[in-house]
Amino acid sequence: DAKTTQPTSMDCAEGRAANLPCNHSTISGNEYVYWYRQIHSQGPQYIIHGLKNNETNEMASLIITEDRKSSTLILPHATLRDTAVYYCIVRPSNSGAGSYQLTFGKGTKLSVIP
Amino acid sequence: NAGVMQNPRHLVRRRGQEARLRCSPMKGHSHVYWYRQLPEEGLKFMVYLQKENIIDESGMPKERFSAEFPKEGPSILRIQQVVRGDSAAYFCASSPSGSGANVLTFGAGSRLTVL
Repeated sequence: DAKTTQPTSMDCAEGRAANLPCNHSTISGNEYVYWYRQIHSQGPQYIIHGLKNNETNEMASLIITEDRKSSTLILPHATLRDTAVYYCIVRPSNSGAGSYQLTFGKGTKLSVIP
Repeated sequence: NAGVMQNPRHLVRRRGQEARLRCSPMKGHSHVYWYRQLPEEGLKFMVYLQKENIIDESGMPKERFSAEFPKEGPSILRIQQVVRGDSAAYFCASSPSGSGANVLTFGAGSRLTVL
């Protein structure tokens, strides 16, 4: 069973920020929040991950609420190439079945519109 | 620094034939994972291997499917006597360790079509 809940689809205008929400109300203290995306017919691409603090890299920012029950992935300036399915995944920090049996739910299909 | 390399990218087999999919992990990665994605579905875990060892094959069908990661060479996912239901995209991922703090890097996938 997926441990995260995401909207099925979202639209975003090209050049604007895309904010993708994720609920993970049952997350444990030792579990990371990971984001991957899958552009049509390609392999999943790692975007970002975080434990408690907000994170930023060259691709995106990850905002995690203080209670860690939800998070938002932010693509600051969406382009047409960002059109993809975005997966929010909760993953234990230790080694074990939960750390490598990543549960890819339905994800959010983001469409960036010109 | 090459990423995870999978081949072939596309494979067509007739029912009853064998399919062999290969995966070379990223340099420095000794942990390999195989996932399957059926049409219009999400990725599902199949098997986790380290060099010469199968750590977890709980997601792999009990019959016809096998995986190996020899001391030398790529990891191999083998499907014997393929059926139409095996048509899917098979993705390999690798990581430097099994810790959840380490990112799994995925390859581009191998797409199997069974006629």
